[in-house]
Amino acid sequence: QVQLVESGGGVVQPGESLRLSCAASGFTFSSYGMHWVRQAPGKGLEWVAVVWFDGNNKYYAESVKGRFTISRDNSKNMVFLHMNSLRAEDMAVYYCARERAIRRIYYFMDVWGKGTTVTVSS
Amino acid sequence: QSALTQPASVSGSPGQSITISCTGTSSDVGSHNLVSWYQQHPGKAPKLMIYEAIKRPSGISDRFSGSKSGNTASLTISGLQAEDEGDYYCCSLAGRSTFGVFGTGTKVTFL
Repeated sequence: QVQLVESGGGVVQPGESLRLSCAASGFTFSSYGMHWVRQAPGKGLEWVAVVWFDGNNKYYAESVKGRFTISRDNSKNMVFLHMNSLRAEDMAVYYCARERAIRRIYYFMDVWGKGTTVTVSS
Repeated sequence: QSALTQPASVSGSPGQSITISCTGTSSDVGSHNLVSWYQQHPGKAPKLMIYEAIKRPSGISDRFSGSKSGNTASLTISGLQAEDEGDYYCCSLAGRSTFGVFGTGTKVTFL
């Protein structure tokens, strides 16, 4: 079945780095854009980043631009989020989500993982 | 990248209809029909309920419907049921396709 499984979350100190991974299965991964969305404790959803189906275009929220990098490996059906210079406000559950449209980005996310938790604390 | 504006909470009685609004600007909600809605239950991942402002994915009950007028999109839940309680978020393409923006979220509860 169509599935996304995130991993890589953990506890880090402010200023440290972390790499999140998302393993996709059950669909033609290379045809879909992929998003990262986060949710701070008790707060709403925040879109973080998107990578196009072919990896050629990547867009970021202003709050993470210059610190986070999204990437993908279509040969391994994986998408990644490299997070540098982590701050307390980056603490959240990070979800990986599939763009619904094939080879387009409309910000319709139709498949979601269960999320991985990032804790930033000194 | 300001969040779209939603009411913090909406309540209704079982069987009633409720509507959640999502207000943006002419740069996001007002400039296209690329609005989606998500339902989230506590501790769970969000679930796509509406896309392209008015369309329902396969498997979503027809009690859920979407609409849009100008800078405001709306989600209506008809025949409110217990399982409809939860948080609802709208989302829109913004910034000339270079980023997405979610709404502030609305908690739906029974009266």
